Amino acid sequence: DAGVTQSPTHLIKTRGQQVTLRCSPKSGHDTVSWYQQALGQGPQFIFQYYEEEERQRGNFPDRFSGHQFPNYSSELNVNALLLGDSALYLCASSLGDGVRSPLHFGNGTRLTVT
Amino acid sequence: KQEVTQIPAALSVPEGENLVLNCSFTDSAIYNLQWFRQDPGKGLTSLLLIQSSQREQTSGRLNASLDKSSGRSTLYIAASQPGDSATYLCAVNDWTSGSRLTFGEGTQLTVNP
Repeated sequence: DAGVTQSPTHLIKTRGQQVTLRCSPKSGHDTVSWYQQALGQGPQFIFQYYEEEERQRGNFPDRFSGHQFPNYSSELNVNALLLGDSALYLCASSLGDGVRSPLHFGNGTRLTVT
Repeated sequence: KQEVTQIPAALSVPEGENLVLNCSFTDSAIYNLQWFRQDPGKGLTSLLLIQSSQREQTSGRLNASLDKSSGRSTLYIAASQPGDSATYLCAVNDWTSGSRLTFGEGTQLTVNP
């Protein structure tokens, strides 16, 4: 039973560029959430997708956008990259809203912006 | 706005010691509280999930308690082992934030052989 998978594992981009990160949820899960974790900090919620729509959004600018596909996989897009966007980006999946069952996290994508 | 604090930020103990990690949160109207483990450069592994109606959960050498009224949770690790070395994060899911988790900054645990 495959867990949450994310790609790529590492990525180096230049300031001003755009990046797309991908996530496949755990089998049987239909909800995907994205978190940003800066070095030494706890993860910060970016947004959550359910039934191909953004259901909830954290305090992140519009440069951060996402998408969920019919097979429940998801993409996170970041435009006009800033140095401060360097972080570990974590994808988490759940069945439904994830309130009654634990979230399952992937190993993340390490994004470095130079 | 929910805020989660974890104390201590770092902890170093000899192998075999029992230890307690602390987590506090400002808004007691929570659905649940979850403890995670994170190894360096890796994702999060869920350890224990406590629903708001529960007072504790146990898994092997781990025991997590929840005191919703005081806004506190503790993670107790019995007979610590070097393999327990990791960062431990607590996160709450509350009524105002819906299904998103608010995390503390974690406790970095080192268990020395």
